[in-house]
Amino acid sequence: QVQLKESGPGLVQPSQTLSLTCTVSGFSLTSYHVSWVRQPPGKGLEWMGVIWTGGSTAYNSLLKSRLSISRDISKSQVFLKMNSLQTEDTATYYCARGHGGYLLYWGQGVMVTVSS
Amino acid sequence: DIQMTQSPASLSASLGETVTIECRASEDIYNGLAWYQQKPGKSPQLLIYNANSLHTGVPSRFSGSGSGTQYSLKINSLQSEDVASYFCQQYYDYYTFGAGTKLELK
Repeated sequence: QVQLKESGPGLVQPSQTLSLTCTVSGFSLTSYHVSWVRQPPGKGLEWMGVIWTGGSTAYNSLLKSRLSISRDISKSQVFLKMNSLQTEDTATYYCARGHGGYLLYWGQGVMVTVSS
Repeated sequence: DIQMTQSPASLSASLGETVTIECRASEDIYNGLAWYQQKPGKSPQLLIYNANSLHTGVPSRFSGSGSGTQYSLKINSLQSEDVASYFCQQYYDYYTFGAGTKLELK
């Protein structure tokens, strides 16, 4: 069955770079696109970016200068890197598989706290 | 970028009541709209896609409607398990989420 699982550090220091991995199973990254979505505590969802089936990417214009999404097809992994982290980047980070345009399958999320 | 304005931000309703949540897009999104339900501590779950198509396994008391820039999610006969936050999302032009609606029982 389709599964996505995020992994990464729970704590990142301000100004540092966040690196997250989304490991997927049950589908190929060449057949479905994967997005990253984040949610600050008690707040709403924010789409961050997407890696399309062909490997091209698109980013939220508000995060574009700090964000990079890549993948390793052989390992079924999608990577997120975001630099210059601030406290307002504290959030639960989700990866989700697209189906057409909507997001059908979601990972469980990983909580990232930005603090010194 | 397309903006999504969702209302109300919070809603209190009684069991058995019908509730409606609305989303307005800043431009025509041609029915490229989904609704998600999120319970505390859980990932969002798809309810509706293409503005009015019910995702497999979602109870029929949920329905979506709308066109152009105006869309709504209706929950008929509210059940206790419907207490959650609800988010709209446009996917006509990349992705944008609404700010969410927190639904509580009165």
